[in-house]
Amino acid sequence: QKEVEQNSGPLSVPEGAIASLNCTYSDRGSQSFFWYRQYSGKSPELIMSIYSNGDKEDGRFTAQLNKASQYVSLLIRDSQPSDSATYLCAGPGSSASKIIFGSGTRLSIRP
Amino acid sequence: DADVTQTPRNRITKTGKRIMLECSQTKGHDRMYWYRQDPGLGLRLIYYSFDVKDINKGEISDGYSVSRQAQAKFSLSLESAIPNQTALYFCATSDPREVSEQFFGPGTRLTVL
Repeated sequence: QKEVEQNSGPLSVPEGAIASLNCTYSDRGSQSFFWYRQYSGKSPELIMSIYSNGDKEDGRFTAQLNKASQYVSLLIRDSQPSDSATYLCAGPGSSASKIIFGSGTRLSIRP
Repeated sequence: DADVTQTPRNRITKTGKRIMLECSQTKGHDRMYWYRQDPGLGLRLIYYSFDVKDINKGEISDGYSVSRQAQAKFSLSLESAIPNQTALYFCATSDPREVSEQFFGPGTRLTVL
């Protein structure tokens, strides 16, 4: 069974610093991964997708995929208090119609 | 108006009661999903549907059933609720061309006493 694992945190980062969130996965054949952000009491929303080895940048966010080591990371530069949320890593499920989610890492940005 | 809506938003019920959670969407997506979220366990898939005639079990379907009444409506039922079904339930939709981007409803917080 495919698995996606994350450290639950909480991860505390000072405002303005780089927050680094990590995720490992079990299926070596997985090609694409996704990061969802979930604010407390709200529903998840997709913030980044990555489909190939290497880095993908979008504003303050960078997603990194390392297929050889089977890990995915999300870097948030110039962290802001509004980045405080739970970040869910997701990867392909057992069929093309599904994705599986990690348990999420809670990020807290301290002023 | 929200693209994906869920009713009710909160529900407290007793063990053994039948409960229905409803989901409606205006995104025009064919694919709809029901997840439950528990602290420390992330989102787990209960059921998913490709269209009105296509219903599939997810990883934790025992104790649940679903009905896809129309393209826009997907209901989740707990036939006889038990306390370990206390959780946050989310409905989601996706375009079949981009399954990875799922659009979630606001969630239903269910408590079974």
